[in-house]
Amino acid sequence: NAGVTQTPKFQVLKTGQSMTLQCAQDMNHNSMYWYRQDPGMGLRLIYYSASEGTTDKGEVPNGYNVSRLNKREFSLRLESAAPSQTSVYFCASHRGRGTDTQYFGPGTRLTVL
Amino acid sequence: SQQGEEDPQALSIQEGENATMNCSYKTSINNLQWYRQNSGRGLVHLILIRSNEREKHSGRLRVTLDTSKKSSSLLITASRAADTASYFCATDAGNMLTFGGGTRLMVKP
Repeated sequence: NAGVTQTPKFQVLKTGQSMTLQCAQDMNHNSMYWYRQDPGMGLRLIYYSASEGTTDKGEVPNGYNVSRLNKREFSLRLESAAPSQTSVYFCASHRGRGTDTQYFGPGTRLTVL
Repeated sequence: SQQGEEDPQALSIQEGENATMNCSYKTSINNLQWYRQNSGRGLVHLILIRSNEREKHSGRLRVTLDTSKKSSSLLITASRAADTASYFCATDAGNMLTFGGGTRLMVKP
């Protein structure tokens, strides 16, 4: 099993450009998450999907949209990138709510100039 | 705002010593989890302690939870250089985890 995979690994954008970060998991997990991590900080939740067909805002959703394409895939879209969105983005998944651990992807390092 | 706050923010010890990190949180939780992050990598789950548990062990890791004080500690015994990483606590109060800012641990050989 590959676990949680993310593409791309690195991306540089200019202010105003758009892009989609892709995430896929092969563990048949119900819930998927997108976090951002700024230098020296912990993770902040952007959006999550508790199950296929549902999405909810997290702590910092402004400037982002998400799509739970199917049970495996959860994408994050930046419609008009801003320098404040320069960060490392992590996707995670777990089986469902409750006492359960999350499995993280390797991250996408995004720089917005 | 972050639910969990780790203390200290940074810790430097010699190989073989024990490392203790603390986490405080603000609201009631279902469980508390500790994760490890090596530089430039994703987070890896270490251990989960439920709200009705007080102590849990996993190899060289020992986690305690005091719900009356809303605090947890992670002890790594007999540390190794390979333990150098950032350690995060995360609280589960429902649908999502909320992460603290992390403790950066450096273990010198």
